[in-house]
Amino acid sequence: GEDVEQSLFLSVREGDSSVINCTYTDSSSTYLYWYKQEPGAGLQLLTYIFSNMDMKQDQRLTVLLNKKDKHLSLRIADTQTGDSAIYFCAERSSGGFKTIFGAGTRLFVKA
Amino acid sequence: DTAVSQTPKYLVTQMGNDKSIKCEQNLGHDTMYWYKQDSKKFLKIMFSYNNKELIINETVPNRFSPKSPDKAHLNLHINSLELGDSAVYFCASSHAGTGLVTEAFFGQGTRLTVV
Repeated sequence: GEDVEQSLFLSVREGDSSVINCTYTDSSSTYLYWYKQEPGAGLQLLTYIFSNMDMKQDQRLTVLLNKKDKHLSLRIADTQTGDSAIYFCAERSSGGFKTIFGAGTRLFVKA
Repeated sequence: DTAVSQTPKYLVTQMGNDKSIKCEQNLGHDTMYWYKQDSKKFLKIMFSYNNKELIINETVPNRFSPKSPDKAHLNLHINSLELGDSAVYFCASSHAGTGLVTEAFFGQGTRLTVV
């Protein structure tokens, strides 16, 4: 069945890079997403990558996809205290109606 | 202009009551969802409607009944509320199909507390 796994916690110092990892099981995944959830708020799409891409960069965010290992990572450069949040990895297959979410990685940024 | 809006934002009610949560999207999407987020922040899909038709119905007690009067609205009615129903319920919408970036847009959530 479909499953998305992430580590639950990550703590970094302000100014360092953060790397959040995710693995998924569905080989038909076409769209892979990173969402951010701040306390008391809904989920906000940060970035996405198609399964035919290896990398995508968007300002401080870099997404790397290893399709062979079904591994996705999100790198946040120059992490700021405002980046403290829960980051959800998610996947969806082409034509599918269901987005499957990981359990979320809680990022703590120490000043 | 809120893209996906849910009401109410907070809902406190007693066990055994029946309550509804409403959701509306103005993005022109054809697919809407209800997700439940528990106290550990795990996010589980409950239902999905595509063009007003139920297409995903995960293992959810039949006390939960979604209703989609049109493509822009998906409401969630819960009968005989139990303590374990306390959670944050998120509505979301997206395009379905191929060739489109089908990311889901989320509402702000409804925090349901059953006492």
